Amino acid sequence: EPEVTQTPSHQVTQMGQEVILRCVPISNHLYFYWYRQILGQKVEFLVSFYNNEISEKSEIFDDQFSVERPDGSNFTLKIRSTKLEDSAMYFCASSEIGGSYNEQFFGPGTRLTVL
Amino acid sequence: KNEVEQSPQNLTAQEGEFITINCSYSVGISALHWLQQHPGGGIVSLFMLSSGKKKHGRLIATINIQEKHSSLHITASHPRDSAVYICAVEFYGQNFVFGPGTRLSVLP
Repeated sequence: EPEVTQTPSHQVTQMGQEVILRCVPISNHLYFYWYRQILGQKVEFLVSFYNNEISEKSEIFDDQFSVERPDGSNFTLKIRSTKLEDSAMYFCASSEIGGSYNEQFFGPGTRLTVL
Repeated sequence: KNEVEQSPQNLTAQEGEFITINCSYSVGISALHWLQQHPGGGIVSLFMLSSGKKKHGRLIATINIQEKHSSLHITASHPRDSAVYICAVEFYGQNFVFGPGTRLSVLP
């Protein structure tokens, strides 16, 4: 069964460093998403991406964040200068088409720890 | 502000019990999703619904649009059902807003 994969599973970095979180969505999916879950808190939407551009983003997704689909398979989230409060679980998801009524498939997550 | 609430926050049940988890939301929605988050953190989509009722194995999800309320039921619960169950709502024109989750523990 096709699945969304994410690497690395755990990333430890120093405050101020740049990190890139990688996702491989399901191959025939066209819509991609990043979510974040700070330990003990709700999952929060960060950004959605379609046709090589951002379709929606939340207030959390400020200038330190960027997303990219550098090739036909990977979807990346870059955090330019990490802060302590960026420590969280980051989930990638993909769906075949966008809008309501479309199931999103989630990756296993990357746990980011900023020291 | 569009809010999603869940109850209970925590639930402990004995194996075999019938379980109900509730979700309520503040304004009209285009769809509601029930997700399961495993102890390791991974998230699985269980149901997506905009009206009525859906059933998959021992899981049943219902939604009442007028009352802005949805329930997730688990029949004949099993320890492997232990997880966090999350209600996520698509408000019109917005992406998912997630509820706080209900932590379920099913004891053998």
